[in-house]
Amino acid sequence: VIWMTQSPSLLSASTGDRVTISCRMSQGISSYLAWYQQKPGKAPELLIYAASTLQSGVPSRFSGSGSGTDFTLTISCLQSEDFATYYCQQYYSFPWTFGQGTKVEIK
Amino acid sequence: EVQLVESGGGLVQPGRSLRLSCTASGFTFGDYAMSWVRQAPGKGLEWVGFIRSKAYGGTTEYAASVKGRFTISRDDSKSIAYLQMNSLKTEDTAVYYCTRGIPFYYYYYMDVWGKGTTVTVSS
Repeated sequence: VIWMTQSPSLLSASTGDRVTISCRMSQGISSYLAWYQQKPGKAPELLIYAASTLQSGVPSRFSGSGSGTDFTLTISCLQSEDFATYYCQQYYSFPWTFGQGTKVEIK
Repeated sequence: EVQLVESGGGLVQPGRSLRLSCTASGFTFGDYAMSWVRQAPGKGLEWVGFIRSKAYGGTTEYAASVKGRFTISRDDSKSIAYLQMNSLKTEDTAVYYCTRGIPFYYYYYMDVWGKGTTVTVSS
């Protein structure tokens, strides 16, 4: 099983801020990592796959980087609609696993 | 429009069974892998299981927490994926999401999610 450590669990930020979320794997997964955004009461939505490829329709202020064991999701200029919970997920091997989630809240 | 709609959730007693359905539209269902992910109340996301397309054998993978109790199947003629849940436990209480799997080399990522269906296991 590949364990994932996502940090921070809670991030307080203001509109316009640049925020970074980290995801660390217990073993290397090449670039087989996805990031999802989930708003309260809604299903998750895919933001990024293959560690750095933006899903169609996702704003360019979102970006992903990393490979191997260390990955990062960056929101360059936080907008009001970005306050949500973010999850990383590895699809390198079964069982697929998710990070614990990062809640981005208004400061 | 690509859409996944889950159904079949509800209240069930521990030890009983329930079958969830995921009805797909807007794409050629048989060409894609499908997966189930769940989220317990106030908790994070947990992957449940996965089924490959028939072109890749239609084989399945499961999380350890459900292996031997849950079974995923598909009916490509109806564009439906199923999650048969047996011997349900209170810890299976969650919102269950159906997702579409996109092949990426030999790997798959989940690009579309349904809105989810709620399963409550309680006496």
